[in-house]
Amino acid sequence: DTGVSQDPRHKITKRGQNVTFRCDPISEHNRLYWYRQTLGQGPEFLTYFQNEAQLEKSRLLSDRFSAERPKGSFSTLEIQRTEQGDSAMYLCASSLPEMTVLYGYTFGSGTRLTVV
Amino acid sequence: EDQVTQSPEALRLQEGESSSLNCSYTVSGLRGLFWYRQDPGKGPEFLFTLYSAGEEKEKERLKATLTKKESFLHITAPKPEDSATYLCAVRENTGNQFYFGTGTSLTVIP
Repeated sequence: DTGVSQDPRHKITKRGQNVTFRCDPISEHNRLYWYRQTLGQGPEFLTYFQNEAQLEKSRLLSDRFSAERPKGSFSTLEIQRTEQGDSAMYLCASSLPEMTVLYGYTFGSGTRLTVV
Repeated sequence: EDQVTQSPEALRLQEGESSSLNCSYTVSGLRGLFWYRQDPGKGPEFLFTLYSAGEEKEKERLKATLTKKESFLHITAPKPEDSATYLCAVRENTGNQFYFGTGTSLTVIP
């Protein structure tokens, strides 16, 4: 297993366009998290899944953001009508519930979004 | 709302010059405090979990300690490869999200 994989690594888009990111977690991990990190800040929670169920969403997750994990494996995060304020690193992480308190999450390398 | 504050924002050390990073937190009930290392353009990498006041964890040149209000990450005789941003996060008893601080950017000069 090569860890948490995110695609693409970088995305440049024009304001108003839609973008979609993909995350492939560690295969045996049933929890998957999305975080957003802007320059000079720590990661901020967006949402998380247990298997295919989206259990929690942050107030940061506006109506333009939607996340799915249709078969409990990979996940996608879509941003509609992108704005310049959406420019950030989008981080995906995965874990097993019983291991989270011991070892935290395993993060991917992120997708860097730039909205121009 | 829960709050995690890290200091200093940035720290420059000479190679071999030991120092400490601080993470202050306020949560209603702490389930765990986590230290991560983040290199530029990469995701955070797990270092330690601490659960209760008085606990200590060590890994190579790093040692993390925890009190009821703060945690310290002590770096002993750092090397240039220790240069990174160190993030602190807390998880409370209720909920599954982590609350991260803004990090300390450490630069170790040869």
